[in-house]
Amino acid sequence: QKEVEQNSGPLSVPEGAIASLNCTYSDRGSQSFFWYRQYSGKSPELIMSIYSNGDKEDGRFTAQLNKASQYVSLLIRDSQPSDSATYLCAVEYGNKLVFGAGTILRVKS
Amino acid sequence: DGGITQSPKYLFRKEGQNVTLSCEQNLNHDAMYWYRQDPGQGLRLIYYSQIVNDFQKGDIAEGYSVSREKKESFPLTVTSAQKNPTAFYLCASSIDVTSGTYNEQFFGPGTRLTVL
Repeated sequence: QKEVEQNSGPLSVPEGAIASLNCTYSDRGSQSFFWYRQYSGKSPELIMSIYSNGDKEDGRFTAQLNKASQYVSLLIRDSQPSDSATYLCAVEYGNKLVFGAGTILRVKS
Repeated sequence: DGGITQSPKYLFRKEGQNVTLSCEQNLNHDAMYWYRQDPGQGLRLIYYSQIVNDFQKGDIAEGYSVSREKKESFPLTVTSAQKNPTAFYLCASSIDVTSGTYNEQFFGPGTRLTVL
């Protein structure tokens, strides 16, 4: 069984702080990793993808991948109230994605 | 505009009825997927299709059926055999997954199905 684990939260951070979201996965063979943002009642939106060990930055978002430890994380700098959402981690297994249950992020102004 | 459309946005079904959810994409993507999301849970894969006229079962295919007669369309039928169909249904698509390209999936707006 391919598993993707996330802390369900909620993770509460003050406006302007760094939010750190974590995800672990079970299959060492996975090569592709994705972060989706999902607002309440809406569909998931792809915000980051990462394929190699290390960091990948895009604006206020940084994805970090450590294949040896089988974890992937998402950092959100200068968090804004508009970042309040559920963040889904997805891991590719063969030609399919397996999703974690998501972490609820709340940014308080 | 390129994108994925799903209809209807809300759907109500009576016990014993089959209903069909529509998913259309104009992104020229080869692969299409159907997921189900229940409150507080992640997305679970129902069916997926990598090419026209071919599709595979996902993790929770029982009580569902699909067809892929056109590249642009991947309708999902929720049959009366699905015992607990109330959920948020999401369709996604991605570029060819067989050529070694990475599997970025993009989602439609979803259909919320409620059984009365």
